[in-house]
Amino acid sequence: DQQVKQNSPSLSVQEGRISILNCDYTNSMFDYFLWYKKYPAEGPTFLISISSIKDKNEDGRFTVFLNKSAKHLSLHIVPSQPGDSAVYFCAASSGTYKYIFGTGTRLKVLA
Amino acid sequence: SQTIHQWPATLVQPVGSPLSLECTVEGTSNPNLYWYRQAAGRGLQLLFYSVGIGQISSEVPQNLSASRPQDRQFILSSKKLLLSDSGFYLCAWSALRGEQYFGPGTRLTVT
Repeated sequence: DQQVKQNSPSLSVQEGRISILNCDYTNSMFDYFLWYKKYPAEGPTFLISISSIKDKNEDGRFTVFLNKSAKHLSLHIVPSQPGDSAVYFCAASSGTYKYIFGTGTRLKVLA
Repeated sequence: SQTIHQWPATLVQPVGSPLSLECTVEGTSNPNLYWYRQAAGRGLQLLFYSVGIGQISSEVPQNLSASRPQDRQFILSSKKLLLSDSGFYLCAWSALRGEQYFGPGTRLTVT
């Protein structure tokens, strides 16, 4: 039972354009969401979070949107840079210390 | 600032041998601690988490175990490794219910 899904295993985007990474969840009790970036053979790096009381959170080039009715969140990266090429994970929590992670989307930014 | 250490970085072990992976956190007190595994091409699977010394919660039945002998030390162990234990093991910490911060990971190959 995959409660957090990232249905696109990979995505390619031209440098300077917008990257949109999507994440869907099934548990309506999830109330806190995180996005991580991971390079090969390294630990994930925290990027941005959003609480269910908000529908948008922005930090520099990164913006996360939350649509609670659709149980969907997305990460926008504008403008995309070659250094953004990595695997991106979304994660969700429902009021506990545990997070459920998606399977990741590999982003490739083409120069 | 907080720092998380994991060692070793890579490990090759034969089937049936024991395992001990260590994780330590600096710069914070009473962190929540987590062990995750990332199998090839898969997402992050939560194995264990701990909210205090001696308090371990197991998420997935398996031949692995975890211990927290000190506030900022988290150990992942096995008495006899299986081939299916191969993967990338990640330790993480968080303050209360906040974002989780990951260590550099250990690549385990069971042969």
